[in-house]
Amino acid sequence: DAGVIQSPRHEVTEMGQEVTLRCKPISGHDYLFWYRQTMMRGLELLIYFNNNVPIDDSGMPEDRFSAKMPNASFSTLKIQPSEPRDSAVYFCASSIGFFYNEQFFGPGTRLTVL
Amino acid sequence: AQSVSQHNHHVILSEAASLELGCNYSYGGTVNLFWYVQYPGQHLQLLLKYFSGDPLVKGIKGFEAEFIKSKFSFNLRKPSVQWSDTAEYFCAVKRDSGYALNFGKGTSLLVTP
Repeated sequence: DAGVIQSPRHEVTEMGQEVTLRCKPISGHDYLFWYRQTMMRGLELLIYFNNNVPIDDSGMPEDRFSAKMPNASFSTLKIQPSEPRDSAVYFCASSIGFFYNEQFFGPGTRLTVL
Repeated sequence: AQSVSQHNHHVILSEAASLELGCNYSYGGTVNLFWYVQYPGQHLQLLLKYFSGDPLVKGIKGFEAEFIKSKFSFNLRKPSVQWSDTAEYFCAVKRDSGYALNFGKGTSLLVTP
């Protein structure tokens, strides 16, 4: 299995631009999570999906952030418009719903907003 | 909400030294606890997890953790570290409902030759 796939691995953009991060979970996994990692705040959960339905988006910082999961094999996290404080590493993770199964993380997308 | 705190932000050890990284959780009920590791340039991977049963949990690469309910702790240990253990270590707790995790801020471990 290829594991969780994220793209792009690095993204550099200018303030005000739209940014779209992509994630392909492990096949058969029914939970998908988006996390953000910064030096100041550590690893924070932004949103997670179960069977393509958003379950908890309370971690999404503000309306500039949106996430979708149109099907079981693809999810996007969009930031529009982007701001320098959005600079972080964004991780996607997936798991099988059996509660004691681990979350498998992708390699992350390092976002820099100038 | 359940949360975890990690006491040490940066730890530097010599090879062969013993390691103990602290993790305390906030909730007194049933908890599910995890330790994840992030090696330089790599993604997070699970070291070990505790759900119930034996409070001494053994994980990969010689790591273990002990769940002490009376102390609200789940410290990570390794008797003898290697240079290859240089990484960031995260303690995490499953939230009360659903399958999301709350992570600690991480401990950066540097093992020197």
